[in-house]
Amino acid sequence: EVQLVQSGAEVKKPGESLKISCKGSGYSFTNYWIGWVRQMPGKGLEWMGIICPGDSDTRYSPSFQGQVTISADKSISTAYLQWSSLKASDTAIYYCVRRLNRSSFDYWGQGTLVTVSS
Amino acid sequence: QTVVTQEPSLTVSPGGTVTLTCASSTGAVTSGFYPNWFQQKPGQAPRALIYGTSNKHSWTPARFSGSLLGGKAALTLSGVQPEDEAEYYCLLYYGGARVFGGGTKLTVL
Repeated sequence: EVQLVQSGAEVKKPGESLKISCKGSGYSFTNYWIGWVRQMPGKGLEWMGIICPGDSDTRYSPSFQGQVTISADKSISTAYLQWSSLKASDTAIYYCVRRLNRSSFDYWGQGTLVTVSS
Repeated sequence: QTVVTQEPSLTVSPGGTVTLTCASSTGAVTSGFYPNWFQQKPGQAPRALIYGTSNKHSWTPARFSGSLLGGKAALTLSGVQPEDEAEYYCLLYYGGARVFGGGTKLTVL
């Protein structure tokens, strides 16, 4: 069974760093790109970027380029999304999603709630 | 900045048919945009419904179908069920970049 399991909720202060994770199981992790999606409170989905775990080729949405870092450790089938200095506006639920092929996304993680507040 | 536009809200009666659309600010949506459709219910993660314009996942109910309609991507629900009340999002591909639509809140009333 394909699963993407994300790390738990986080509460951080502005200026702090954070790395959240998305662990894939039930399939060959290196063969499928993993995307990250932001959903701010009460708002829609926003595409952040995507990584190929096999070679760490990464593509960022222009809106998120330089704001976050996407990475992966194929040895433990895990993708990451990290911030070096959080802002209150980073408060959101973050989802990972598997890209089956160029035309298809299929499995989603359960989401990680990140709350940034002083 | 590319914008993908969906109807903010639609209402349909149980058993009825409704079509949601997804338009691109760059022009007509074609199969090369690889439209994907997702359903999200309150408090849940999104769920994939349609990929590559009209292909269904193994779990996608038969009443959901995808197409291209009048230069837009479209998601049609035929024989709507109460459990179809949800937010629906399209996702389009722009040569490496991807953009979500703003979402359509579908009410079944």
